[in-house]
Amino acid sequence: AQSVTQLDSHVSVSEGTPVLLRCNYSSSYSPSLFWYVQHPNKGLQLLLKYTSAATLVKGINGFEAEFKKSETSFHLTKPSAHMSDAAEYFCVVSPLNTGGFKTIFGAGTRLFVKA
Amino acid sequence: GAVVSQHPSRVICKSGTSVKIECRSLDFQATTMFWYRQFPKQSLMLMATSNEGSKATYEQGVEKDKFLINHASLTLSTLTVTSAHPEDSSFYICSATDLLAGGHNEQFFGPGTRLTVL
Repeated sequence: AQSVTQLDSHVSVSEGTPVLLRCNYSSSYSPSLFWYVQHPNKGLQLLLKYTSAATLVKGINGFEAEFKKSETSFHLTKPSAHMSDAAEYFCVVSPLNTGGFKTIFGAGTRLFVKA
Repeated sequence: GAVVSQHPSRVICKSGTSVKIECRSLDFQATTMFWYRQFPKQSLMLMATSNEGSKATYEQGVEKDKFLINHASLTLSTLTVTSAHPEDSSFYICSATDLLAGGHNEQFFGPGTRLTVL
């Protein structure tokens, strides 16, 4: 069985301060893990992905995430928030299983950035 | 990177009519496409998985006669909402995966289609 839990439905930070969006997962298979960002009325844009290589993954726009197997976590971070980072963020798990797979989306975390 | 387009981006229709949404992979062959539905301020809900040349696999609770999916080629899948009603109003997003790209299951998402049924 697989599941994804985004621990915060809303996160609010001030511009220039660090961002932490938390994600925990469970998966029967070795998972691929992804973070996507969605701006209002837009599709999803891939920020970064973990596919069993380096556990610290760097993505676009200064975001990074660390895969911690012992904690079953894949938290998204950014050292300094920008106003343009305000959006909805989804943590996604998908098994590394080419025999058929099901992608599971987290419920999403809305990031607010205050000036 | 891989690009997926959706058409139309926005559609308004009358109750009882049918609406077709197209999803195209522009620069790769998509052996598998997915259709999602997203309600306001909620996550994406997988509706169905579509493999080229075969019938779509629908998720539990999704009416296959209501949401017709056709994946006739490696670059095109269509979702037809038949006899649409106001409760079908939603944001529909497709995604596509290129299994030739390494099998890491990354999905490439279209920009979405906003359906409003009056």
